[in-house]
Amino acid sequence: AAGVIQSPRHLIKEKRETATLKCYPIPRHDTVYWYQQGPGQDPQFLISFYEKMQSDKGSIPDRFSAQQFSDYHSELNMSSLELGDSALYFCASRRRAQGNYGYTFGSGTRLTVV
Amino acid sequence: DQQVKQNSPSLSVQEGRISILNCDYTNSMFDYFLWYKKYPAEGPTFLISISSIKDKNEDGRFTVFLNKSAKHLSLHIVPSQPGDSAVYFCAADRGTDKLIFGTGTRLQVFP
Repeated sequence: AAGVIQSPRHLIKEKRETATLKCYPIPRHDTVYWYQQGPGQDPQFLISFYEKMQSDKGSIPDRFSAQQFSDYHSELNMSSLELGDSALYFCASRRRAQGNYGYTFGSGTRLTVV
Repeated sequence: DQQVKQNSPSLSVQEGRISILNCDYTNSMFDYFLWYKKYPAEGPTFLISISSIKDKNEDGRFTVFLNKSAKHLSLHIVPSQPGDSAVYFCAADRGTDKLIFGTGTRLQVFP
């Protein structure tokens, strides 16, 4: 079965650079979520989209922005990167009509800021 | 403010025995709870969930128990297998679009 695809798997950037993370949800999933997991921490919700509109927002810095496109894939744009942005970034998707049962995570993008 | 807590950062269990992972929450508005398993460098994998209208849900070797009055849930794995060694996260939802995760428990199953 198709899963949530995230790219790239690994990314190394320097401070003050920008980064773009991509997420391709499971086909027919209409909702996408972004989470950030720092070293030794639990995943923290950043932002979500339903039918290409932002549906909820968590602890996402103003330096970050995200959107969901017409094909339902989503991109997380991160600017003026800081060392503290180094983390695993997970994308999850679900089909809202399925409720929480279909909440599926991708393998994540490991961002390292040096 | 950690709304979902897993107070045991690690647990070590012998193969074949029962593993019990605990999770406590503070927000009574949570109405759905999920358990995820996570290997290093991989995304969380869904294991089992439970709605707040139930007190038990079972799926193969995995059973989740919910005690709403105590705001406590637990995941039982029996029998435990070496392949179960991973970090386990409980997560809670209150009908919004986001999951609130616990801090995780690292389970090690030894032969």
